[in-house]
Amino acid sequence: AQSVSQHNHHVILSEAASLELGCNYSYGGTVNLFWYVQYPGQHLQLLLKYFSGDPLVKGIKGFEAEFIKSKFSFNLRKPSVQWSDTAEYFCAVTTTGTASKLTFGTGTRLQVTL
Amino acid sequence: EAQVTQNPRYLITVTGKKLTVTCSQNMNHEYMSWYRQDPGLGLRQIYYSMNVEVTDKGDVPEGYKVSRKEKRNFPLILESPSPNQTSLYFCASQFSLATYEQFFGPGTRLTVL
Repeated sequence: AQSVSQHNHHVILSEAASLELGCNYSYGGTVNLFWYVQYPGQHLQLLLKYFSGDPLVKGIKGFEAEFIKSKFSFNLRKPSVQWSDTAEYFCAVTTTGTASKLTFGTGTRLQVTL
Repeated sequence: EAQVTQNPRYLITVTGKKLTVTCSQNMNHEYMSWYRQDPGLGLRQIYYSMNVEVTDKGDVPEGYKVSRKEKRNFPLILESPSPNQTSLYFCASQFSLATYEQFFGPGTRLTVL
């Protein structure tokens, strides 16, 4: 079964700082990777997704992520964070055989200070 | 507007009192799932449904039931809630096996006393 690890549990950054959140998965086959964001009191929203093709994917709000197959990683990046990016970020994976099931990481709480 | 709706959004109940959390989607999606979110554990799948009358267990199904009598609805039933089911619950839907992307409802915060 697949699993997802997010090693950064709580990240605090000042506005305009660069962001990189780590995500590693364990599964030897073909994966589909996602980053979701949950703003305080709100439901999960899709930031970006990777199915195939260019391993550098761009999402909404200036976020991007790079799929590195050899490292089983799908790290989320943003060059310059804003206070409004304060939220919890979840990495998730599905595999071809479990397309109806998203396996989530434990989440990273990002706090952006002014 | 395409969306997944859940009701109620907040619920406080007592141990043993049966409850149902409704979930409805208006996107004609085949797949629907229930997740619970707990601090430090992320989201874990409770049950999922691949179509009408087809349901299966996820990672944490104990203490829950579901049904899928209509394509748009996927209620979560707690026959005898216990305090360890206090959690934030999310319903999600997905168009088909090939699309992978899931859309989430707004969540239901349940407290069992």
